[in-house]
Amino acid sequence: DAGVIQSPRHEVTEMGQEVTLRCKPISGHNSLFWYRQTMMRGLELLIYFNNNVPIDDSGMPEDRFSAKMPNASFSTLKIQPSEPRDSAVYFCASSFHRDQETQYFGPGTRLLVL
Amino acid sequence: LAKTTQPISMDSYEGQEVNITCSHNNIATNDYITWYQQFPSQGPRFIIQGYKTKVTNEVASLFIPADRKSSTLSLPRVSLSDTAVYYCLVSGNTPLVFGKGTRLSVIA
Repeated sequence: DAGVIQSPRHEVTEMGQEVTLRCKPISGHNSLFWYRQTMMRGLELLIYFNNNVPIDDSGMPEDRFSAKMPNASFSTLKIQPSEPRDSAVYFCASSFHRDQETQYFGPGTRLLVL
Repeated sequence: LAKTTQPISMDSYEGQEVNITCSHNNIATNDYITWYQQFPSQGPRFIIQGYKTKVTNEVASLFIPADRKSSTLSLPRVSLSDTAVYYCLVSGNTPLVFGKGTRLSVIA
């Protein structure tokens, strides 16, 4: 298996633009997690899905952020409109639902909003 | 969710054994203790998990006392490539809460 795949790996955009981050979890995993990492706040859980259903989105900063998981092999995290304070590394991770302590992380998307 | 406390940073010379201790006084009966490692510019990587006593794998050992209020990650004979941030997490099949971790710097 190729592991968790994220795209793009790097994104530079201007304030106000829409940003879409993509994630393909490991085949067979039925839990998917989106995290954001910054120097100031560390690694924060934004939202997670079990069997494609959003379970907890309390970590999503505000309404500008949205996440979807239309099927078991694809998820998106969208920011609209983007702001400079959204600059961070965004990680996607997947796991089996019965073993959420063992998560496999993707390489991350480094987002810079100018 | 149980809160964990671990040192912010540690330094070690190559070849030494490194022990990173994490306290989790409010751990629940069904909680497991899990450690992750994060290299610069990479996502965190699962390295070891335990419930009680001792667990060992090819990467590290995890020591958990009987009261489970703390745990110690032991890295034998570290090398420069072990320089990373190490996270201690406690959960019972619930989403992980990552703290700031322990930044380990291995010096030649």
